[in-house]
Amino acid sequence: GQQLNQSPQSMFIQEGEDVSMNCTSSSIFNTWLWYKQDPGEGPVLLIALYKAGELTSNGRLTAQFGITRKDSFLNISASIPSDVGIYFCAGQLSGTYKYIFGTGTRLKVLA
Amino acid sequence: DVKVTQSSRYLVKRTGEKVFLECVQDMDHENMFWYRQDPGLGLRLIYFSYDVKMKEKGDIPEGYSVSREKKERFSLILESASTNQTSMYLCASSLLGGTGNQPQHFGDGTRLSIL
Repeated sequence: GQQLNQSPQSMFIQEGEDVSMNCTSSSIFNTWLWYKQDPGEGPVLLIALYKAGELTSNGRLTAQFGITRKDSFLNISASIPSDVGIYFCAGQLSGTYKYIFGTGTRLKVLA
Repeated sequence: DVKVTQSSRYLVKRTGEKVFLECVQDMDHENMFWYRQDPGLGLRLIYFSYDVKMKEKGDIPEGYSVSREKKERFSLILESASTNQTSMYLCASSLLGGTGNQPQHFGDGTRLSIL
């Protein structure tokens, strides 16, 4: 089946640093979503991207829909301790309601 | 805000039991989904429904069934629970967009343990 390669799998960063993570696939997607999941909770939608090349911000978060429609990245600027969690990408396959999810990037912020 | 509510946060059942997981959304969404989440495997789609009484198999439907009798409620049924169905189960819902590209909103999950 289709797969999304999300990297890095985990990262430790210092508070105040910028963070970057990305998802790539061999499939073409109509939509890219980025979620954050805290321990014991469900994923919460951070950013939704609908067009190739689209760049969207949500506070300190910025995400882009790749031109080829096969990739997306998420940047977090000036990280803070509450950014800790698991970040997931999800891509929607063209012509379906189905989303494919990345395996997540576990972010740990050192104060 | 979209609210997706799963009936239980934690559930412990025995092998062979029939298990019901309930999900309710309050935003009149047409689409509803059930996923399971396991370490290292990410979210895997079990079943989804795009309308009342309509359902389609996802990637891992074996051992599961679903019921959508009302638009707001989507139930996942483990016909005869087995230990390999111990997992975190997540329900999601979304609007039916013109091109199908509406984001999914998730509940808080049910952590199910089968003993």
